[in-house]
Amino acid sequence: EAGVAQSPRYKIIEKRQSVAFWCNPISGHATLYWYQQILGQGPKLLIQFQNNGVVDDSQLPKDRFSAERLKGVDSTLKIQPAKLEDSAVYLCASSPQATSGNTIYFGEGSWLTVV
Amino acid sequence: AQSVTQPDIHITVSEGASLELRCNYSYGATPYLFWYVQSPGQGLQLLLKYFSGDTLVQGIKGFEAEFKRSQSSFNLRKPSVHWSDAAEYFCAVGNQAGTALIFGKGTTLSVSS
Repeated sequence: EAGVAQSPRYKIIEKRQSVAFWCNPISGHATLYWYQQILGQGPKLLIQFQNNGVVDDSQLPKDRFSAERLKGVDSTLKIQPAKLEDSAVYLCASSPQATSGNTIYFGEGSWLTVV
Repeated sequence: AQSVTQPDIHITVSEGASLELRCNYSYGATPYLFWYVQSPGQGLQLLLKYFSGDTLVQGIKGFEAEFKRSQSSFNLRKPSVHWSDAAEYFCAVGNQAGTALIFGKGTTLSVSS
């Protein structure tokens, strides 16, 4: 079974530029998450989708971050304009349903450096 | 406020020695507890999880964890550490409703020979 796929794996951009990350969850998984992991910290939820609807985006900095999940499958996370403090690993994860007992599977992450 | 605390930022253990990583949580509802491991440059892999029932849960790679409600703890243990266990370990808490997990800041495990 294929895992959660993310691209690009690594990206270096200058501040005020834009960047987009793509995620393909495990086939059939209805729930998709984007987490931000800053060096030395644990992952922090940015946004959670159930199919193509947003369940929780309370911690998404909406002035610069946006995310979409068209057709309830792939998802894209965009940052525009980027700030130095956005340097982090962006982890995509998926689970069959957002209910108890379901394991959340993580991708390998997209590493962003803003200079 | 809901939170997870991992008191130890970095632990070094000799190969073959036992290991215990601490995790304390603060959660209003009945907690669902998880331990994940992250190797350098990799995503997070689930080691084990606790929802209910037996408070001692077994996971992959020889790890186990014990849920102690009175202490709000979910410590991870392994009787004999291997060099390949060197990684970062994250404790996380969730709930029955399936809202997203809250993670601790992690504990880095180094294994010395």
